[in-house]
Amino acid sequence: GAVVSQHPSRVICKSGTSVKIECRSLDFQATTMFWYRQFPKQSLMLMATSNEGSKATYEQGVEKDKFLINHASLTLSTLTVTSAHPEDSSFYICSARRPSGDGELFFGEGSRLTVL
Amino acid sequence: QQQVKQSPQSLIVQKGGISIINCAYENTAFDYFPWYQQFPGKGPALLIAIRPDVSEKKEGRFTISFNKSAKQFSLHIMDSQPGDSATYFCAASSTGNQFYFGTGTSLTVIP
Repeated sequence: GAVVSQHPSRVICKSGTSVKIECRSLDFQATTMFWYRQFPKQSLMLMATSNEGSKATYEQGVEKDKFLINHASLTLSTLTVTSAHPEDSSFYICSARRPSGDGELFFGEGSRLTVL
Repeated sequence: QQQVKQSPQSLIVQKGGISIINCAYENTAFDYFPWYQQFPGKGPALLIAIRPDVSEKKEGRFTISFNKSAKQFSLHIMDSQPGDSATYFCAASSTGNQFYFGTGTSLTVIP
């Protein structure tokens, strides 16, 4: 079964509204979770590293005020796209790294955001 | 700078053939090398992974070959099937740090 659950899988919103995407680690407690953005036929672009109980670390060029990340518990991280615009339309994927063993990285199913 | 270089960008293989995807890295601190399979509209799924203390790992039809001295690793898909048609990503990481992904290979297996 799924190790990381992501919801919603698809969301359509109007320009100017905010959208929240949830990412849950089902199999282990994840102190660190990652958020990626993927454009069609391209690789995964790391947006930010979500750390439980502290502020997220954003990659260069990612607007932290637009992409709000909260990691309030060891099993839940959320990404909120604020004041969404059509250019924010994309495929967003979260992931969690197992804290023990090989430290495998598991991905959620992804969320397709369409901003009208 | 691309931490992990992946080739080819796309690959077409006949059913029953062998699919080979290659990756190279520079950072010798990397100690974990996974491969992911991604179908359209889905998140990547962990396929198989290797650590640098072994040169090969096999799981079913999927094999990773690892060459530490050359800093290269590859994914071999034996007896390729149409259901294997997907995008494959290699990745590398060091303990506790972020993962670096290749640019992806779009595999098409022709019946």
